[in-house]
Order: sequence, then structure tokens, then C-alpha cells
Amino acid sequence: QQQVKQSPQSLIVQKGGISIINCAYENTAFDYFPWYQQFPGKGPALLIAIRPDVSEKKEGRFTISFNKSAKQFSLHIMDSQPGDSATYFCAASMRGGFKTIFGAGTRLFVKA
Amino acid sequence: NAGVMQNPRHLVRRRGQEARLRCSPMKGHSHVYWYRQLPEEGLKFMVYLQKENIIDESGMPKERFSAEFPKEGPSILRIQQVVRGDSAAYFCASSPDGAGANVLTFGAGSRLTVL
Repeated sequence: QQQVKQSPQSLIVQKGGISIINCAYENTAFDYFPWYQQFPGKGPALLIAIRPDVSEKKEGRFTISFNKSAKQFSLHIMDSQPGDSATYFCAASMRGGFKTIFGAGTRLFVKA
Repeated sequence: NAGVMQNPRHLVRRRGQEARLRCSPMKGHSHVYWYRQLPEEGLKFMVYLQKENIIDESGMPKERFSAEFPKEGPSILRIQQVVRGDSAAYFCASSPDGAGANVLTFGAGSRLTVL
């Protein structure tokens, strides 16, 4: 119930391509779905987030698509760049804070 | 604003010793969370604290691990009698009250190595 399942585990994309990472959740009490980006040796940093009252949110090259009925959400990175190479975590939390549950992470490598 | 400050950044301990990890949240943040990250794995929730209170410790092992967030000073994650399996990166995050309570800001982590 508290899990967030993320796929794929790793992803290799050509420069300029689209990177797509998927996540699924079970607990319908989750109402905040962020994505975090982590570079080696650093802490995760918030990239983009969505609430379930919208189906899509776009910030620059990063887009979250949200399917409430399927309990799935995904991150799309358009025009992927080598500098995007990092580990990406989807996450979910309930309104008011408490704990945030993270997916297992996706290691993205963008080939130049 | 210096962000979330964690220290030490790297800590080496021998089996059986104690490890103390410190976290100063962002200014104005009253919620502190500790996560553990094993190599090549995701972030596992350990404990959620507010000032002087443990709110949720469901992810923290019952033995050897403890956490506090005193009225004054940083939050402390304490691991007693460390074992090799405790080797990991420990991340602290903080968040404010109100609408931003679930927006986490992470520190750079403390990397514990147990010999």
C-alpha cells in the first residue's frame, strides 16, 4: 500500500531523444507526486511535482503525465542532454507532509 | 540560506562503535526526515521528527538506531554498535509548515563506512 514502483531501473538515451520513466502507486491517499534528481555524491533535489487534480505539468524540457484512474505517473525529458545523466526518483506523499515514499530510482545515461 | 547542512560528510567506524550523524534543517523548517540509501538502491524512509517529537519512526530499526530533534540544535541520528550492513549514505531532509510541508529539501548526505 505504501510502495511506489518505478521502472525502468536504468535507461540509455541518445542526445536529443526523449527519456521516459514510469511510476505506479497503490495508496489513493497520496496526493503529491514529486520527481527528484540526484547526481553522484549529492543529495536528491526536487525537479518537478504534480498534484492529482491535473493530468499534466510541464516545466521546460520536463513533463509529468498523471493518470489518476490507473494510479500511474511518468516523467518525460524532452531533448535529453548529457547533463541530464543522473538518477531520477519518483515519490509520493500525503497532504500535510508526513513521510515521502520513494521509488527505487532510474539511472539515466544520455549518450553524446 | 545555507540549505540543509549535514555533518560529517564522511564517517568511518569499526564494528561495534557508535556513529552520530547531525542535520541542521533549512531556516524556518520545522520538519526533519532521515532516509537511508544503500549503494545502487533507492531512498528508504527511516524517521520523521518535529521539534522535540518523533512523529513517525516506522522505518527505523528497533535495535541500535535512535533519532532526536531537540529544541535547540541539530537533529541527530545515532547508530550504536555499528555493523557492516549499516554502511550507507544517510540523507536528511527538511520541510516547512503549511502547504509546503511535503516539499523536501535534502542535505548532501553523510556517508558511513563500517570496517
